[in-house]
Amino acid sequence: SQQGEEDPQALSIQEGENATMNCSYKTSINNLQWYRQNSGRGLVHLILIRSNEREKHSGRLRVTLDTSKKSSSLLITASRAADTASYFCATRPSGGYQKVTFGTGTKLQVIP
Amino acid sequence: DTAVSQTPKYLVTQMGNDKSIKCEQNLGHDTMYWYKQDSKKFLKIMFSYNNKELIINETVPNRFSPKSPDKAHLNLHINSLELGDSAVYFCASSQDTPTVGEKLFFGSGTQLSVL
Repeated sequence: SQQGEEDPQALSIQEGENATMNCSYKTSINNLQWYRQNSGRGLVHLILIRSNEREKHSGRLRVTLDTSKKSSSLLITASRAADTASYFCATRPSGGYQKVTFGTGTKLQVIP
Repeated sequence: DTAVSQTPKYLVTQMGNDKSIKCEQNLGHDTMYWYKQDSKKFLKIMFSYNNKELIINETVPNRFSPKSPDKAHLNLHINSLELGDSAVYFCASSQDTPTVGEKLFFGSGTQLSVL
């Protein structure tokens, strides 16, 4: 079963607007990662946040993590047409070596 | 240089055939994975190898057999292909420490179509 559920499943915004995607997961985690997948391509790592961190920034990306609610959000500011892609959260459970499990993904369309 | 490369990119075959997908990483990573992405874009882990040793084997039919000749290579052999095997298969690698899992590097995928 999928560890993470993402919300919304699809999001369509105008260029320049901010895009927010949410991820909820079920078990305790060691870290949570966000990936981007362009159509027909492999996944590309965007950002990793550890379980003891609450917020992390990378360029136009901002990730928050709330372990008490088992949720994370990815904010893309000042979106560009090139941000059009599917975005996935991925979790690595705590408690030793474990697999990285992906969420269901959010398909983002940025309209020029 | 491509970090994680898998071949072929496209694979079209008949039901019942046997096929293989190859994966190589030049990142010096210890861990390699196979993921399956279905038509709804769900990504499911199939296998993971660490230093040539199988460490994760999800509920995958035994028609699927991974093989890791060395830590830079992880191949996937599929016997008696079925229609439901049609999907995109991704290879990935990571450099994991004992306690903290780091980011995955993905290949560009192999689109398998079983007719």
